Amino acid sequence: EPEVTQTPSHQVTQMGQEVILRCVPISNHLYFYWYRQILGQKVEFLVSFYNNEISEKSEIFDDQFSVERPDGSNFTLKIRSTKLEDSAMYFCASSPMGTGRNEQFFGPGTRLTVL
Amino acid sequence: KQEVTQIPAALSVPEGENLVLNCSFTDSAIYNLQWFRQDPGKGLTSLLLIQSSQREQTSGRLNASLDKSSGRSTLYIAASQPGDSATYLCAVRASGGSYIPTFGRGTSLIVHP
Repeated sequence: EPEVTQTPSHQVTQMGQEVILRCVPISNHLYFYWYRQILGQKVEFLVSFYNNEISEKSEIFDDQFSVERPDGSNFTLKIRSTKLEDSAMYFCASSPMGTGRNEQFFGPGTRLTVL
Repeated sequence: KQEVTQIPAALSVPEGENLVLNCSFTDSAIYNLQWFRQDPGKGLTSLLLIQSSQREQTSGRLNASLDKSSGRSTLYIAASQPGDSATYLCAVRASGGSYIPTFGRGTSLIVHP
């Protein structure tokens, strides 16, 4: 069964460093998403992406964040200058269609630890 | 602003029990509601998606209902098994142009043999 994959599973970085989290969505899906979950907190929406541009973003997704689909398979989340409070699990998801109607399929997550 | 609450926060039951997990939301103008399962340290697995026009969805031993007017959804798990142990999350998508989902904190379920 097709699945969303994410790499790395765990990333440790120093405050102020740039990190890139990678995702490979399900191959025939068109909509891509990033979420984060701070330990013990709710899952929070960051951004949705379609047709090579951002569809929606939350207040969390400020100028420190960017997303890119550099090729036909990868979808990346970049954090330019990490802060301690960026430590969280980051989940990528994809869906065949957008508008919220279709189910989103989630990857296993990348645990980001900022020291 | 949409608020999603899940009760109870944690639940421990013996195998075989039928369970009801609750999700309530403050703004009834929703597009759909989705139930997920999250295993420790893992991603989210979609269980059931209910559109705003639907009243319930069923998959195997799972049944989810939606009452928009009262701002509630329930996830019913029949004949619980130890493999059902996980955190169950509900997420609500608002109608009206933005499809950003709002998640609840989840119900942590332990089913012991």
